[in-house]
Amino acid sequence: GAVVSQHPSWVICKSGTSVKIECRSLDFQATTMFWYRQFPKQSLMLMATSNEGSKATYEQGVEKDKFLINHASLTLSTLTVTSAHPEDSSFYICSARRQFTEAFFGQGTRLTVV
Amino acid sequence: GENVEQHPSTLSVQEGDSAVIKCTYSDSASNYFPWYKQELGKRPQLIIDIRSNVGEKKDQRIAVTLNKTAKHFSLHITETQPEDSAVYFCAASLQGAQKLVFGQGTRLTINP
Repeated sequence: GAVVSQHPSWVICKSGTSVKIECRSLDFQATTMFWYRQFPKQSLMLMATSNEGSKATYEQGVEKDKFLINHASLTLSTLTVTSAHPEDSSFYICSARRQFTEAFFGQGTRLTVV
Repeated sequence: GENVEQHPSTLSVQEGDSAVIKCTYSDSASNYFPWYKQELGKRPQLIIDIRSNVGEKKDQRIAVTLNKTAKHFSLHITETQPEDSAVYFCAASLQGAQKLVFGQGTRLTINP
C-alpha cells in the first residue's frame, strides 16, 4: 500500500525555539495532506489542510502564525511549530489520501518542549 | 461541517466475544466511512471502510454496517483476540472532499 513517511519520530526542544516536521508521500503524489494533533488518549484533532502550491487551510482555533505549513511539492509537506512552548508538547501526525480512497498516516512525531 | 460522534469511549470484552462500536454522522452528503485501528504509539491503520452505496461489508472477523437513513455506522469484531486491543477510530468524508472527520475513538480491551 501507499506509504507516508514522517520525520522526525520524536524531538525535544527548548522553549522559544522552532521545530520543523516533514511529511512525505513516498509512492504517490499528494496534492492535499493533513496535519493532526493527538493528545494522550484522545482523538485525532485536525489542525490544517495542506494544499500543494497554495496556502494551508486551518481549522478553527488553530494559530496559523504558530503552526506554519508549507506544501512546496506533490510529495512533501512541512509543519513548523514556531516559538514552541511546553503546551505545544503533543503527538503530531500527518496523513494523505490518494484519489478519495484510504488515508495513509505518517509515523507521527512526538514533540516535547522543555 | 461534518461532525462524527463515536460510542463507547471504552469497551472491555472477554476474549472470543464480539465487540461493537457505533458512530453517527451529521452530514447526509458524507459517502465514505473508514475505520482505523491505532496501537499505542503507532500510526492509525485502516482496517475496513464502506461507501454509501452499500449497507454492509465484511472482512474475516471484521464487519461494518451503514444505515444512511439514520446516519450511523458500526464496526463489528467477532471472535475477539488479545491483539484486537487498541484504539479504534471511525471517520466520515463528504463526497468529493479529501478531509476525513474522526470520531473520538474507542479504547477496546480484550480480556484473556
